[in-house]
Amino acid sequence: AQSVTQLDSQVPVFEEAPVELRCNYSSSVSVYLFWYVQYPNQGLQLLLKYLSGSTLVKGINGFEAEFNKSQTSFHLRKPSVHISDTAEYFCAVTPMDSSYKLIFGSGTRLLVRP
Amino acid sequence: DARVTQTPRHKVTEMGQEVTMRCQPILGHNTVFWYRQTMMQGLELLAYFRNRAPLDDSGMPKDRFSAEMPDATLATLKIQPSEPRDSAVYFCASGLAQTAKNEKLFFGSGTQLSVL
Repeated sequence: AQSVTQLDSQVPVFEEAPVELRCNYSSSVSVYLFWYVQYPNQGLQLLLKYLSGSTLVKGINGFEAEFNKSQTSFHLRKPSVHISDTAEYFCAVTPMDSSYKLIFGSGTRLLVRP
Repeated sequence: DARVTQTPRHKVTEMGQEVTMRCQPILGHNTVFWYRQTMMQGLELLAYFRNRAPLDDSGMPKDRFSAEMPDATLATLKIQPSEPRDSAVYFCASGLAQTAKNEKLFFGSGTQLSVL
């Protein structure tokens, strides 16, 4: 079985400051990893995904994430946030032996203040 | 832009009533997912279809929930009878992939259901 833990339910940060949203996962098999973003009153959008290769992956809107297998982590980072980045961010995993099952974390609300 | 369309956007109903939520996946997508989002449970997978066939509905309460794809352009999620604990946002998502590594889901805007 797989599980995803996002320890921070809310992260407040000032505009133009850097931010890191933490994600840890647990799985008995290898997984693919994803970050999704949900803007208010909208569905989720894919930010980035890690499938293989370089452990640092870049996504849309200036976000990047680093896969750390030994720490079973996939933290999301942005060097300088904008007000428009205020949203809910979900980390998710799919076991490699499954063709479909996305397991989501509980989400982290990023609140960017001017 | 191609998008997943869900109707209705909001639904308020009374306990015991039947609720039907509809989803139009992106044309050509062969996978459809139903997720439920609540504050307490987060995002839960309810059902998964591939090529209109239900492959996994283990996350769905069988006694009152049912999911179908009458054709490739329509997916439905029904609750009968509805209960207050069903209040949540229900998301439909579609994708086009044969393997997980290529999976990129497109989510609809959700149906906000309130059961009084």
